[in-house]
Amino acid sequence: QKEVEQDPGPLSVPEGAIVSLNCTYSNSAFQYFMWYRQYSRKGPELLMYTYSSGNKEDGRFTAQVDKSSKYISLFIRDSQPSDSATYLCAMSEWAGGSYIPTFGRGTSLIVHP
Amino acid sequence: DARVTQTPRHKVTEMGQEVTMRCQPILGHNTVFWYRQTMMQGLELLAYFRNRAPLDDSGMPKDRFSAEMPDATLATLKIQPSEPRDSAVYFCASAPETSSYEQYFGPGTRLTVT
Repeated sequence: QKEVEQDPGPLSVPEGAIVSLNCTYSNSAFQYFMWYRQYSRKGPELLMYTYSSGNKEDGRFTAQVDKSSKYISLFIRDSQPSDSATYLCAMSEWAGGSYIPTFGRGTSLIVHP
Repeated sequence: DARVTQTPRHKVTEMGQEVTMRCQPILGHNTVFWYRQTMMQGLELLAYFRNRAPLDDSGMPKDRFSAEMPDATLATLKIQPSEPRDSAVYFCASAPETSSYEQYFGPGTRLTVT
């Protein structure tokens, strides 16, 4: 079993829909939880990060962490065609003098007009 | 605005040739990471540095890959000799000292080894 599991999709939704993206993990040592967006042929772009359990909101994006269930989610409200991209979750633990991330494989999201 | 830069953006080379990829981290970031991304494996951590010192390179094939930070503004990843299985996109990311979980990625170097 991989440390971080993420459904690759693709997830196809109509414009304006609420999107839910999820990851599960097995390593209890993870402390920080990140979401990255990656457009085709571009580098991953950090969207949000959260520490421990709880919710964090930034505009149309809400990140949610449930450490007891080892489950994290990213919600996108009022989705737009420009949100079409691959979304990668990442989780970091402290090791060897730095926070070291483990990435999910990414979920491909398609928002159609 | 501050961003990580990588050169070259694309590289096509023949098997057996040496490949050098360069990265300029964001000014003031003291932690630098090298990743490789493929369809099969996703994003894999190859090596990382803090204050120019290598902390871990266990993700790299030691016999052919090497990573260095000659100075605070330049990180390099070298493959010698290159093989077709090295074909991938190589990303560099940098992070500030107080929040190394907050990584900022460069645009990547797309490497094709024929």
